[in-house]
Amino acid sequence: DAGITQSPRYKITETGRQVTLMCHQTWSHSYMFWYRQDLGHGLRLIYYSAAADITDKGEVPDGYVVSRSKTENFPLTLESATRSQTSVYFCASLPPGYQETQYFGPGTRLLVL
Amino acid sequence: QKEVEQNSGPLSVPEGAIASLNCTYSDRGSQSFFWYRQYSGKSPELIMFIYSNGDKEDGRFTAQLNKASQYVSLLIRDSQPSDSATYLCAAASSNFGNEKLTFGTGTRLTIIP
Repeated sequence: DAGITQSPRYKITETGRQVTLMCHQTWSHSYMFWYRQDLGHGLRLIYYSAAADITDKGEVPDGYVVSRSKTENFPLTLESATRSQTSVYFCASLPPGYQETQYFGPGTRLLVL
Repeated sequence: QKEVEQNSGPLSVPEGAIASLNCTYSDRGSQSFFWYRQYSGKSPELIMFIYSNGDKEDGRFTAQLNKASQYVSLLIRDSQPSDSATYLCAAASSNFGNEKLTFGTGTRLTIIP
């Protein structure tokens, strides 16, 4: 089915380990986004990408790295995971057009011990 | 820092009644506003968007926008137990449009049968 998929859906890791969260979309949307969602903070933008090889920081980028070599994939890497990065991570994409909005993937629940 | 404020709730409404959800935003230049519904453990899904002052109706949902007061609301008529969810208000950036959304922390709505 077309849409956004994220993997893994659940991940437990330890402090200091590197973790990569995957995001794949079948729509070929130019814009893609990574958010984290925490109680009391709502959805906060980590990084976004306007196209392949074009990425930019969002509100909370520290400790995260992104890449986008292909339009359909937008992986998010935690280079050295910390407990404060325990969260639910959502990937989103934005269709072209003035009256469009962002559509979200199913999310990845990450627990850092 | 652009902000979107929502009452966190929980808001409890009897089945069949009208649920009223409110949101204020600080970015006076925002032009587009969105309401997302998020069931527990799921990703946000778009239910309404509004760009112009006034009311916009879609089935049982009505979005209201007052740019002068920087106020957005969502009314749900004939509330159903399936409407129990967290509702996120989002405002598009005045500088970047729908590529940059600022989300509120959400209002948790419970419909009481």
